[in-house]
Amino acid sequence: GAGVSQSPSNKVTEKGKDVELRCDPISGHTALYWYRQSLGQGLEFLIYFQGNSAPDKSGLPSDRFSAERTGGSVSTLTIQRTQQEDSAVYLCASSSTSGRVEQYFGPGTRLTVT
Amino acid sequence: GDSVTQMEGPVTLSEEAFLTINCTYTATGYPSLFWYVQYPGEGLQLLLKATKADDKGSNKGFEATYRKETTSFHLEKGSVQVSDSAVYFCALSPRAASKLTFGTGTRLQVTL
Repeated sequence: GAGVSQSPSNKVTEKGKDVELRCDPISGHTALYWYRQSLGQGLEFLIYFQGNSAPDKSGLPSDRFSAERTGGSVSTLTIQRTQQEDSAVYLCASSSTSGRVEQYFGPGTRLTVT
Repeated sequence: GDSVTQMEGPVTLSEEAFLTINCTYTATGYPSLFWYVQYPGEGLQLLLKATKADDKGSNKGFEATYRKETTSFHLEKGSVQVSDSAVYFCALSPRAASKLTFGTGTRLQVTL
């Protein structure tokens, strides 16, 4: 079946602009996660959704970062007033909560802030 | 908080050599443990997992055993191939539907 998809695959933006990154999880997966992969920081957790609610937002680095999920499916990660340190690959993952623990990752969105 | 420590890379091996990548963890309770692999230009893929002590995860000739007494989950393969060249990440999750905590990743390069 279809895996996790993310769009765009690449995004170049100017410092100070807002960006939106999209994630389509595997159909039927109720849990959705955002991570960030950067050279200096490795793989960092950002936020977790269960259905449309976000019980764990502990990884969001600042109030410029926000995310929402609608219809228990698609999620959007928004970064306002982008800074150069936001440049990274943003990864989305999803998992079933029916007792299985593994997360399945999308291909990522490479964000470059110039 | 939870943490994962894995050996620094890069690891360079000749084809058919034996591979070990060390991974140790710190966590409360009984987390699930994972190895993920990232091939060049590709996304993260689950390689194997173990959900309780003494479980052995295996896939594609790779194995790792969940050792609670040493808080370790070392990745091994008896005979590596050039196609195994990738970055390997050890990770843990305290329970289903919770965040993964990753190690820093170990780059493996296999040469002919």
